[in-house]
Amino acid sequence: NAGVMQNPRHLVRRRGQEARLRCSPMKGHSHVYWYRQLPEEGLKFMVYLQKENIIDESGMPKERFSAEFPKEGPSILRIQQVVRGDSAAYFCASSPETGLTEAFFGQGTRLTVV
Amino acid sequence: QKEVEQDPGPLSVPEGAIVSLNCTYSNSAFQYFMWYRQYSRKGPELLMYTYSSGNKEDGRFTAQVDKSSKYISLFIRDSQPSDSATYLCAMRLQAGGFKTIFGAGTRLFVKA
Repeated sequence: NAGVMQNPRHLVRRRGQEARLRCSPMKGHSHVYWYRQLPEEGLKFMVYLQKENIIDESGMPKERFSAEFPKEGPSILRIQQVVRGDSAAYFCASSPETGLTEAFFGQGTRLTVV
Repeated sequence: QKEVEQDPGPLSVPEGAIVSLNCTYSNSAFQYFMWYRQYSRKGPELLMYTYSSGNKEDGRFTAQVDKSSKYISLFIRDSQPSDSATYLCAMRLQAGGFKTIFGAGTRLFVKA
């Protein structure tokens, strides 16, 4: 049973480009959460999605950031026109359909904006 | 004031020592409390999960929650070099499907 899969593991983008981060939840999980971790800081909640629905996006910056979790395929976190301050590790977590409190994290995508 | 405060360390202890890690929080409505372990360049791994006040033990790990003091602790007995990692406390208002608030993490080094 594969865990939460994130790709790519490392992503380098130039300022102004778009970054797309993908997350495949564990089998049987339909709840996905995205977090951002800056160096020496804890994880900051960004968005919570269920299949085809955004449930809570209170942690998402208002501009340039968007997330989706389509009926088929992985969840995507999209950052348009990246800036140096977007450089961070982005983690995805998933939990089962029943919404249990335990969530499993992926290995993260480390985004570097140059 | 941050919602969750956690001393970043680093905390360095000899192998076999008892380790005490702590967090304080400001929101008395938090109900669910977790501890995660994160190795360098890896994702967080859930260690302990506790609902409301009380103690929970799992092997060498014990989690304590004192809601009256808004204080949570993680104790590691007989610490091993493999316990060297960053430990993140986390908490949530409600069960399932709601955002989790994390502490900044405490870096722990266990020396052989």
